[in-house]
Amino acid sequence: GAVVSQHPSWVICKSGTSVKIECRSLDFQATTMFWYRQFPKQSLMLMATSNEGSKATYEQGVEKDKFLINHASLTLSTLTVTSAHPEDSSFYICSARGDRGTSNTEAFFGQGTRLTVV
Amino acid sequence: AQTVTQSQPEMSVQEAETVTLSCTYDTSESDYYLFWYKQPPSRQMILVIRQEAYKQQNATENRFSVNFQKAAKSFSLKISDSQLGDAAMYFCAYRRDDKIIFGKGTRLHILP
Repeated sequence: GAVVSQHPSWVICKSGTSVKIECRSLDFQATTMFWYRQFPKQSLMLMATSNEGSKATYEQGVEKDKFLINHASLTLSTLTVTSAHPEDSSFYICSARGDRGTSNTEAFFGQGTRLTVV
Repeated sequence: AQTVTQSQPEMSVQEAETVTLSCTYDTSESDYYLFWYKQPPSRQMILVIRQEAYKQQNATENRFSVNFQKAAKSFSLKISDSQLGDAAMYFCAYRRDDKIIFGKGTRLHILP
């Protein structure tokens, strides 16, 4: 099956700094990538959808200036949490969808990134 | 707006027994996809099974099968011969176009 690699798997950063999370599709071209946030014992909340070469579409209530998403190539999307605060601490998951075969009908998930802001 | 509802926050089943997880959804569309995802303690999301709404036949993947009732907007997951490795959070999900919407999840415990 299609593989999505997310890096880093965990990161600790100081309040006020920025942190970047990468999401790569390793064996297919990801025309669309999704970024989710998951609080402990809760479901995945869609933050934004990005298409390669286009600006991301953010869900209602998600600050686009705080959560910068870049999808510059068909295999890489990045999420940058700017001026991080402790309330941004969470588990962030990316997923990617391709344009053909099974990579089109379902989304494949990265391993997730646990962000802790101290 | 589309919503996905999982009414069972937690369930337990004896090893080797069968368990059914419930899911209902709300949509006005006729063409969409439904999924069940498993999230073990590692938190890696794993696709368990997929159902296309235009297909009347229920999807099956080994010990996992669904009961898809389109008119009732119901999409339950049946796990047969439950194994210890099945213990996880299970999320029902709906996809139309680019968006995938997840339910709140059901935590499944397997009793040895």
